[in-house]
Amino acid sequence: GQNIDQPTEMTATEGAIVQINCTYQTSGFNGLFWYQQHAGEAPTFLSYNVLDGLEEKGRFSSFLSRSKGYSYLLLKELQMKDSASYLCAVMDSNYQLIWGAGTKLIIKP
Amino acid sequence: IAGITQAPTSQILAAGRRMTLRCTQDMRHNAMYWYRQDLGLGLRLIHYSNTAGTTGKGEVPDGYSVSRANTDDFPLTLASAVPSQTSVYFCASSDGDRGPTEQFFGPGTRLTVL
Repeated sequence: GQNIDQPTEMTATEGAIVQINCTYQTSGFNGLFWYQQHAGEAPTFLSYNVLDGLEEKGRFSSFLSRSKGYSYLLLKELQMKDSASYLCAVMDSNYQLIWGAGTKLIIKP
Repeated sequence: IAGITQAPTSQILAAGRRMTLRCTQDMRHNAMYWYRQDLGLGLRLIHYSNTAGTTGKGEVPDGYSVSRANTDDFPLTLASAVPSQTSVYFCASSDGDRGPTEQFFGPGTRLTVL
């Protein structure tokens, strides 16, 4: 079956760095997406990886290893507004997104 | 309109009633999707449409139907609502012509079935 695993909840301190991991097993692979979702709001796109390696976008970076079925989202210089859920999703062979349950990130001052 | 809109924002519905959730996008995206989001679970695909005039079933289609008469609108209908359909429903769209691309989400509809 298809499966996306990510931690349920993480806590970090304002100004610090946090890494949110995602492992996946899917039928086919057409890329991995990270989305941010604030409580009560819609998910918004953060990053897309289809090749192995690190993609950097400001304070956020995303890494992919296709051979290991593994990705992580790295958030630097954490701000209180980064408190949100972070969703990992894999696009399968049918070009449909398979979603993880999300990681709730709590930022403490 | 800018992006995707959904209506209503929230709704309380008696079991057995029929309900249509509306979704409209103005980005001229070919592909549209309906998801439900439940606590502790990932977004689950209900139905999708790759282009106007076509629809397909997702992971959890039972009890739901959709139509795609034009590019902009993608309504989701619950023919006879049941309490297990209590959820937050998100509509999304993407520019499928360009291969794997990000999906843009509407603000969601919070539905409670009693």
